[in-house]
Amino acid sequence: DQQVKQNSPSLSVQEGRISILNCDYTNSMFDYFLWYKKYPAEGPTFLISISSIKDKNEDGRFTVFLNKSAKHLSLHIVPSQPGDSAVYFCAASGLTGNTPLVFGKGTRLSVIA
Amino acid sequence: NAGVMQNPRHLVRRRGQEARLRCSPMKGHSHVYWYRQLPEEGLKFMVYLQKENIIDESGMPKERFSAEFPKEGPSILRIQQVVRGDSAAYFCASSPLGQGSSYEQYFGPGTRLTVT
Repeated sequence: DQQVKQNSPSLSVQEGRISILNCDYTNSMFDYFLWYKKYPAEGPTFLISISSIKDKNEDGRFTVFLNKSAKHLSLHIVPSQPGDSAVYFCAASGLTGNTPLVFGKGTRLSVIA
Repeated sequence: NAGVMQNPRHLVRRRGQEARLRCSPMKGHSHVYWYRQLPEEGLKFMVYLQKENIIDESGMPKERFSAEFPKEGPSILRIQQVVRGDSAAYFCASSPLGQGSSYEQYFGPGTRLTVT
């Protein structure tokens, strides 16, 4: 029973264009959402997060949008760069503090020069 | 400012042997989490520890797996009598102490366990 779903296993985008990665969740108790980026043979690197009291959070080229009623979030990367090519994981947790993260299966982003 | 350290990075064990995976959290972090990633899957939570305490082990198999985070030294994930299905990447993450702290977890580079 997957509580966090990333339905697109892969995505290809041209350099300079926008990359949009999507994530859906089923557990209404999730209150905090995070995106991680992972290169092969490395650990996940934290990118950006959002709490359920917000619907948008922006950090440089990365913006996360949250639609709580639809239980959907998305990560926008603009402009996309070849170095953004990696696997992106969506993760969720409750807001009780320091709780385990529930991860999606990831989306492999390829940014083509 | 050292990040989360894990060793070894690669570990090969024969079926029936024991595997010990070590994790040193980031400086100032007292919460440690272990996750496992199988091929083509996301990371799955195994166990959450604070110093000398297991807080949540709901994701850890009841048999053969154990974890500790002693007062001194790294956190250890121990797998006894390994089987081929234990082959995976094991990631450790740490986060700061207390309510209101950052909820982000910071991951180490992982230990890739191969059981032959």
